[in-house]
Amino acid sequence: GQQLNQSPQSMFIQEGEDVSMNCTSSSIFNTWLWYKQDPGEGPVLLIALYKAGELTSNGRLTAQFGTTRKDSFLNISASIPSDVGIYFCAQGGSEKLVFGKGTKLTVNP
Amino acid sequence: DAGITQSPRHKVTETGTPVTLRCHQTENHRYMYWYRQDPGHGLRLIHYSYGVKDTDKGEVSDGYSVSRSKTEDFLLTLESATSSQTSVYFCAIREALADTQYFGPGTRLTVL
Repeated sequence: GQQLNQSPQSMFIQEGEDVSMNCTSSSIFNTWLWYKQDPGEGPVLLIALYKAGELTSNGRLTAQFGTTRKDSFLNISASIPSDVGIYFCAQGGSEKLVFGKGTKLTVNP
Repeated sequence: DAGITQSPRHKVTETGTPVTLRCHQTENHRYMYWYRQDPGHGLRLIHYSYGVKDTDKGEVSDGYSVSRSKTEDFLLTLESATSSQTSVYFCAIREALADTQYFGPGTRLTVL
């Protein structure tokens, strides 16, 4: 079945640093999604990508749909303390989504 | 705000008891989903619904049943709760003609 490998599993960075995380898939689907989950809350959609090569920004966040259609990355520029949380990638194209296991981000002030 | 509420938000129960979790949406979306989230496993799909009375299994459906008698409500039932079902449960809805899903706030279930 479809598998998503998300890396790194965790990151510890200083405030102001840039962050990069990525996902790779065993399958090709039509959509890449990136979510953020704050402690005790549900995941919140950050960015949706629908075409190979697509590069989309949302404030300090930038995500790209890889040209092979099997990977995607998320960059966060100039991190701030409220960026802490777990970031999930997800791949879709049918009725269901498959999620990566998440990247836990810690930002030290 | 996707208009999704979950109840209860927290529940502690004993092994062998039945438990029902409720997901309610206010925006008439056709698709609704139930996930569980556990450390090291991320989000795993339990069941989903693609319309009133139309449901299908996800990857971890054993021990769970669902019902959808109204568009706005999707119920998840643990007929006889086990300790392995201790988890955080999330409901999600999917917009029409899109793959994006929006999540509720979650229910933390502890089975003793």
